Amino acid sequence: GAVVSQHPSRVICKSGTSVKIECRSLDFQATTMFWYRQFPKQSLMLMATSNEGSKATYEQGVEKDKFLINHASLTLSTLTVTSAHPEDSSFYICSALRGKSTDTQYFGPGTRLTVL
Amino acid sequence: KNEVEQSPQNLTAQEGEFITINCSYSVGISALHWLQQHPGGGIVSLFMLSSGKKKHGRLIATINIQEKHSSLHITASHPRDSAVYICAVTALSGSARQLTFGSGTQLTVLP
Repeated sequence: GAVVSQHPSRVICKSGTSVKIECRSLDFQATTMFWYRQFPKQSLMLMATSNEGSKATYEQGVEKDKFLINHASLTLSTLTVTSAHPEDSSFYICSALRGKSTDTQYFGPGTRLTVL
Repeated sequence: KNEVEQSPQNLTAQEGEFITINCSYSVGISALHWLQQHPGGGIVSLFMLSSGKKKHGRLIATINIQEKHSSLHITASHPRDSAVYICAVTALSGSARQLTFGSGTQLTVLP
């Protein structure tokens, strides 16, 4: 079946540093990937839609200069949290659409970011 | 009012019980999804449906488009079914097949 991986699974960083999270579709090509954020005991919140070869589309309230998204290939999208602050601590999840005519999203295992 | 509402928020059951989780939505949709999130955080897509009923093992998902309502049933529940179950919809008015999520139902199955 379709597999999506994320790396790292956990990261702890100091305030002010930048952190890059990778999302890979391992056995299929994903023209569209989504990045979500989840706070404890809350549901997923869509941050941005990442399309291969073009600029990401950010949801209202999400700072594009703080959360840099690069979808450089059909199997890789990256999310970079720049100048991280403790309030950026969260669980970040990506998902990928397999093909252009499907609504099924395949989710990555998530990345737990803790900013000290 | 949220576009996708789930009930109950929390559910505790004894092993073997039949479980139902409900989802109501207020927008036109092209598909409804049931997702399972385990304590570690990973999410698995259980079902995607746009009409009728689907079954996979002990899991059954139904949808009534006219009533804008879906249910997820678990037969012969087991402690390993303990997880958060999330209903999500792909809205007709949305772009790029984005999902709108319910708040989730925390299911605990006791041995």
